[in-house]
Amino acid sequence: GENVEQHPSTLSVQEGDSAVIKCTYSDSASNYFPWYKQELGKGPQLIIDIRSNVGEKKDQRIAVTLNKTAKHFSLHITETQPEDSAVYFCAASTGNQFYFGTGTSLTVIP
Amino acid sequence: DTAVSQTPKYLVTQMGNDKSIKCEQNLGHDTMYWYKQDSKKFLKIMFSYNNKELIINETVPNRFSPKSPDKAHLNLHINSLELGDSAVYFCASSQSGVSEAFFGQGTRLTVV
Repeated sequence: GENVEQHPSTLSVQEGDSAVIKCTYSDSASNYFPWYKQELGKGPQLIIDIRSNVGEKKDQRIAVTLNKTAKHFSLHITETQPEDSAVYFCAASTGNQFYFGTGTSLTVIP
Repeated sequence: DTAVSQTPKYLVTQMGNDKSIKCEQNLGHDTMYWYKQDSKKFLKIMFSYNNKELIINETVPNRFSPKSPDKAHLNLHINSLELGDSAVYFCASSQSGVSEAFFGQGTRLTVV
């Protein structure tokens, strides 16, 4: 099955700085890569996604890049704010199966 | 309207008991999932159902039995609960073919 690795497991940044989270996957059949944000006591919520025919996607302060050849994808958050503090998960999907990375706990220090 | 709803939100029970967690989605999706999130926050897939048919059953003890009466519901029944079953269980749904998965708010199960 698919194996998704995520780094780092914890990340602290000063407010206003950028945060980068990186993931790798193993199954070349994976073609959809969502990123989820999980706040305390809540379920994961989609923040951005990218499909295999796209190399980069941006939504305001959040961007995701995908390198299919290397099987890498990354989440970039610019101008971080305290409300960005949460656990972030990457995932890889082939269509009806989602495999998640191990999560990154992001803390934005005011 | 809640897209994916799970009940109960909290469940405290003794070892050896049998319990069920219910999940319903009103998104018209054809695929539903159960995930287990342990204390380290790892999200591990347990089951996946597509159009009421089981398509994924990861290495989960057979004390866990999912039931999908229709496409909108996927319930999880757990027999003979053990201390190690304590975790947060998430139900999710998606439309097969490549789309995001929507998650419920989770059920925190504590076995004492």
